[in-house]
Order: sequence, then structure tokens, then C-alpha cells
Amino acid sequence: SQQGEEDPQALSIQEGENATMNCSYKTSINNLQWYRQNSGRGLVHLILIRSNEREKHSGRLRVTLDTSKKSSSLLITASRAADTASYFCAVRLYNDYKLSFGAGTTVTVRA
Amino acid sequence: DARVTQTPRDKVTEMGQEVTMRCQPILGHNTVFWYRQTMMQGLELLAYFRNRAPLDDSGMPKDRFSAEMPDATLATLKIQPSEPRDSAVYFCASAPGAGDGYTFGSGTRLTVV
Repeated sequence: SQQGEEDPQALSIQEGENATMNCSYKTSINNLQWYRQNSGRGLVHLILIRSNEREKHSGRLRVTLDTSKKSSSLLITASRAADTASYFCAVRLYNDYKLSFGAGTTVTVRA
Repeated sequence: DARVTQTPRDKVTEMGQEVTMRCQPILGHNTVFWYRQTMMQGLELLAYFRNRAPLDDSGMPKDRFSAEMPDATLATLKIQPSEPRDSAVYFCASAPGAGDGYTFGSGTRLTVV
């Protein structure tokens, strides 16, 4: 079963705008990760946030984690055409070894 | 940058044929995963190895799929006999440890006709 569920399913924005997508999960986690997948390619690891962390930054990416709401958000600031991709959240549950991936959010950045 | 290498990149085969997909994980990564991606099911975990030992293959159809790691530099996924419903992109991923971020290969796109 998919533990991470992204919202929205699809997002279309103008270059330069910010893109925000959310991920919800059902049970306690060890960590939550975000990945990007360009069309026809493998997934690329973007950022990992642990259950005791609330916010992490990496370049133009900002990830927040609210364990009380069992949700996370990924913000891409000042989007570029190259950010066009599918973005997946993945959760690692406590007492589990594997990541469970959501269905992804498809982001289209218009020039 | 270190990368996970998968071969072949694309494979078209007839129903009933054996298919073997290969993966070279990143040197030093002790965890290796096989995932399958389809439009309908998304990303599904098929198998997981730690230090070359198979720890979980519950996601694989046991009657036709098998996964092995004959050595630390090679993981294989075999389908015998293949069926049209096996058509998907198969990804291999490796990580330093189970809780770390994964590095994915570029995938093998399998089409069974």
C-alpha cells in the first residue's frame, strides 16, 4: 500500500513562480524523502528529512515536516523550465527497512 | 558522480521468453533494491538485498520472478516465462544503508508482446 500520497496530482506554473506540493502519510515514520523523476529517467534523490526535523533547505528547495499532521511539503522557489518533472515523496516507517513511494506530483513549468 | 548502472536500457521480447536484467550498484553501498514502475501501480518494491543477502522479495511473483546478487557488483532480476503484464520499467537502486537516500539507475524498459 502507498504510505505517501502527494497532492496535487498535477501542477502547472509560470517560470519564476514558486511550486508547492504536499505529501501525507498514515503512520509514524523514521524519515521522509523527496525524489524527482524526469521523463524517461530514473528517480533522483532530492532531500531527506528525519522525523525529529521540521525544515530542511537545499538550494531552491525547502522541505517541511509536520509529524503531528503526518504531512510534508516541498517548495521549489523561482521555478525554471528544467524543474519540469514528477516529484515523489517516500516514507520510511519505523521498524521497516524500505521506502514506500507515493504516486507523484507532475509539475510543468511554462516558459 | 557515482552511478547505478542498469542493462539493457530497453528490451522487447515475446511472451514466454526469459528476460534477465542486470544492475551494478554503487561500490560500497550495502543495500540494493529492485522496483517496478507502471502507470497503474506506480512504484512497487520487488526485492531488497542487504550485504548481498535477500531480505525481502514478497513483492515479486515467485513463480516467475527471481532476484539474486552473485557478488557485490552485480544484482540480477530474471523473469521466466515473461508475460505481457510484466511490461514496465524496472529500476534498480542502491544506498549506503537502508535509511539513506537511494541512488536509482536509469531503468530497463521491458515490453513483452
